[in-house]
Amino acid sequence: EVQLVEFGGGLVRPGGSLRLSCTASGSTFSTNWMSWVRQAPGKGLEWVATINPDGSVKFYVDSVRGLWTISRDNAKNSLDLQMNNLRAEDTAVFYCASLLRGVTTFDYWGPGTLVTVSS
Amino acid sequence: DIQLTQSPSFLSASVGDRVTVTCRASQGISNGLAWYQQKPGRAPKLLIHTASTLQSGVPSRFSGSGYGTEFTLTINSLQPEDSATYYCQQRRDYPITFGQGTRLEIK
Repeated sequence: EVQLVEFGGGLVRPGGSLRLSCTASGSTFSTNWMSWVRQAPGKGLEWVATINPDGSVKFYVDSVRGLWTISRDNAKNSLDLQMNNLRAEDTAVFYCASLLRGVTTFDYWGPGTLVTVSS
Repeated sequence: DIQLTQSPSFLSASVGDRVTVTCRASQGISNGLAWYQQKPGRAPKLLIHTASTLQSGVPSRFSGSGYGTEFTLTINSLQPEDSATYYCQQRRDYPITFGQGTRLEIK
C-alpha cells in the first residue's frame, strides 16, 4: 500500500507562487504515474496535472498549463507542484494521488493540503 | 473535453435500501469510468474502476455497470457509513474529468 502526504499549502497573495510537495512511502513510487487533483471549498474534484514515472511525460488542465509545473524526484519519493501566478479561484485543497497501474484512475490519495489565495 | 453529468445531485435513502447513481458522458468512453466516495474533510476513496471492477477492500454491496456513455453505481443494502458524496471520473482522454458529485444522505 502507498501512503501519500502533501506539504506546502498556506496563504499566498494573488499573483504569488507556491510549491507543493508530496512524499510517498513504499517502494513503488518510481514506477507509478502520479497526479495532483484539487477541490475548491464546497465544490467538486478537478484534475490538475499528471506525470509519468520517469518525468518525461506531463499533462495539465488547460487553466494551469504554462503557469504550473509538475515534477518528481524518484530518489526522494517526492512529487512537486510549482504554482505560479496564483489567483483567488485557485483556492482549494490539493491532493496528491497515485494512478492505478495501467489505468488512469486514482487509487491512493494523500489527506490534502489547503492553498488559500487571498490579499 | 469529455463532460460527465451525474444524477441525481442529492439522494436521501434509508438503511437497507438500494440506491442507484447515474453518470452520463458527453461522448463514448468505452469502459473508462471510475467511481469514488468522499466523506467530509477526507480524501476521495476509489470504489470501482473500469466501469465495473470493484477495488480491493471495497464492500461487495457496491457495484458498477455501463459502457459507452451511460454508467451506474449501485449500492445494495445501504449502511449508515455510506453517507458521502460520490463522484464518477472518466479516463478515456485528457483532460481527466469528474462528474459534479451526488450527495447521499442516510435518513
